[in-house]
Amino acid sequence: DIQMTQSPSSLSTSIGDRVTVTCRASQSISAYLNWYQKKPGKAPKLLIFAASSLQSGVPSRFSGSKSGTDFTLTINSLQPEDFATYYCQQSYSTPYTFGQGTQLEIK
Amino acid sequence: DVELLESGGGLEQPGGSLRLSCAASGFTFSSYGMSWVRQAPGKGLEWVSSISGGDGGTYYADSVKGRFTISRDNSKNTVYLQMNSLRAEDTAIYFCAKDLARFAARPPFDYWGQGTLVTVSP
Repeated sequence: DIQMTQSPSSLSTSIGDRVTVTCRASQSISAYLNWYQKKPGKAPKLLIFAASSLQSGVPSRFSGSKSGTDFTLTINSLQPEDFATYYCQQSYSTPYTFGQGTQLEIK
Repeated sequence: DVELLESGGGLEQPGGSLRLSCAASGFTFSSYGMSWVRQAPGKGLEWVSSISGGDGGTYYADSVKGRFTISRDNSKNTVYLQMNSLRAEDTAIYFCAKDLARFAARPPFDYWGQGTLVTVSP
């Protein structure tokens, strides 16, 4: 199985900050990497797919990149509605594993 | 608009069975892969199972293989998750999700239901 190691597990940030979340795959997954946002009591929301493609309707302050087996989610100019937990997921092969999640907290 | 509505969750004893349903609308259901993802209390997301929109191929996490069965009824626009031999560790919110791309059972998942809670306890 492909392991997805996400870091950090939590991050204390402020409105307007630039935030970076990293996900490392245990083997090559090409660009089969997706990012989701999850808020308590709500369904997950797709933000980025294929490592760097912005899902329709998602603000352009969200972006994704890839370097080898390392993937990065960047949020520019953090907004109040961005405080949530973020998950990466590989879609290269089953089982379609998620990272452990990164919780953004208000500083 | 796309809508996914799960039902069938509840309290069940260890060793028991439940069947979850996910009624879909707003898209050509038969053409898309569908999946179940769960989140245990205080834990992260875990992919459980997927079924393709083409040949109906099915895929399972090792933690549920042999106990859970995913199926779909394209005439009813509904995907099911039959859960047998339930264990305490199956306690979670179960989300139904639609694939972004047609036919293959492969993430990403662009639409999700609100989830249904399954509690396995004596």
